Amino acid sequence: TQLLEQSPQFLSIQEGENLTVYCNSSSVFSSLQWYRQEPGEGPVLLVTVVTGGEVKKLKRLTFQFGDARKDSSLHITAAQPGDTGLYLCAGAGGSSNTGKLIFGQGTTLQVKP
Amino acid sequence: DTAVSQTPKYLVTQMGNDKSIKCEQNLGHDTMYWYKQDSKKFLKIMFSYNNKELIINETVPNRFSPKSPDKAHLNLHINSLELGDSAVYFCASSQDPEGAWRGYTFGSGTRLTVV
Repeated sequence: TQLLEQSPQFLSIQEGENLTVYCNSSSVFSSLQWYRQEPGEGPVLLVTVVTGGEVKKLKRLTFQFGDARKDSSLHITAAQPGDTGLYLCAGAGGSSNTGKLIFGQGTTLQVKP
Repeated sequence: DTAVSQTPKYLVTQMGNDKSIKCEQNLGHDTMYWYKQDSKKFLKIMFSYNNKELIINETVPNRFSPKSPDKAHLNLHINSLELGDSAVYFCASSQDPEGAWRGYTFGSGTRLTVV
């Protein structure tokens, strides 16, 4: 069974601080995706990383895919209150190509002004 | 607007009732999914259809029955609702099963409360 362990589960920080969220697995994924979900809404795709070692930047957000394609991280620089939300990592691929995504448990981020 | 839309947004019903949730996408995608998000925010797949054909059927009680009249629609019917069915149900779509690596487009969810 493929599992994605996401940490930390909860994070409460002050505006301007940096933070990193981790997503780890013992399984190899063909891609890892990061989503952000706001209350009352569905998850919205932020980025997809595909190549081992790949780094992608989205303004103050930096996403990295591990060399072995088993783990990923999301780093936010100078967090702002608008970054508050639930961050989810999701892995695609694996043993059967059915389109199924495996989700981590999520990280609830609160950025205080 | 191109999107995945699901109705209703909120559903409050009594135990034992039967209810349906509807989902439509106008993205031209071939594959649609139903996911359940529990109270701890964990998302777990329930079903997937590719061009009207069922391709994923996870361990879900028989009381849950998906139906896809065409590739743009995927509905979820739930019989004999139980308290434990209370959750947020999300519909999502991807270009095709192989294209899921690019990511899903999710609907805004249906919060089901069984009382």
